[in-house]
Amino acid sequence: NAGVTQTPKFQVLKTGQSMTLQCAQDMNHNSMYWYRQDPGMGLRLIYYSASEGTTDKGEVPNGYNVSRLNKREFSLRLESAAPSQTSVYFCASSGRTEQLTNTEAFFGQGTRLTVV
Amino acid sequence: DAKTTQPPSMDCAEGRAANLPCNHSTISGNEYVYWYRQIHSQGPQYIIHGLKNNETNEMASLIITEDRKSSTLILPHATLRDTAVYYCIVRRGAQKLVFGQGTRLTINP
Repeated sequence: NAGVTQTPKFQVLKTGQSMTLQCAQDMNHNSMYWYRQDPGMGLRLIYYSASEGTTDKGEVPNGYNVSRLNKREFSLRLESAAPSQTSVYFCASSGRTEQLTNTEAFFGQGTRLTVV
Repeated sequence: DAKTTQPPSMDCAEGRAANLPCNHSTISGNEYVYWYRQIHSQGPQYIIHGLKNNETNEMASLIITEDRKSSTLILPHATLRDTAVYYCIVRRGAQKLVFGQGTRLTINP
């Protein structure tokens, strides 16, 4: 049981390049999340998906797009990377109880992205 | 979502109980209190959550006041490995999970 898997773990991009961060979970969870964490700061929510086929903006969505490909996978795309997007990106997932509340969230180990 | 207020930093001696406070004075009746922690640069880790009753698991205890306007996370016998940033979050139902700034807890030998 791998939990939440993020790829790649490290990436260096040049300004203006594009890339997609991949996230997959094997816990049959409904909800998935993308966060960024800048040095010395807390986590900020970029996008959220409550279920397959739905996505919702978080606190800092500008410059990003997401795709909930299926229940397992939730990808984050940077169309034209900027130095301000240098950060650590975390993906997370959480399930649903019978009372339709969220279970605890499980996090991946992060993708460390540097844009030069 | 109800907002939370936590002290930015705390210290605790190894082997002592660490008590981390959280204020959530605008919490509504169907919102849960969750605690997560983040050790160094790892992904956050779930600790415990509760609605109105006190909760205990193998990691910690959660004490929620009767009016639910504040709570305390208790690590009964803190170790050096408990040094981390601790986040208190309130959310209801299937709401998205939003983090605040948390409390940086340092366990001193």
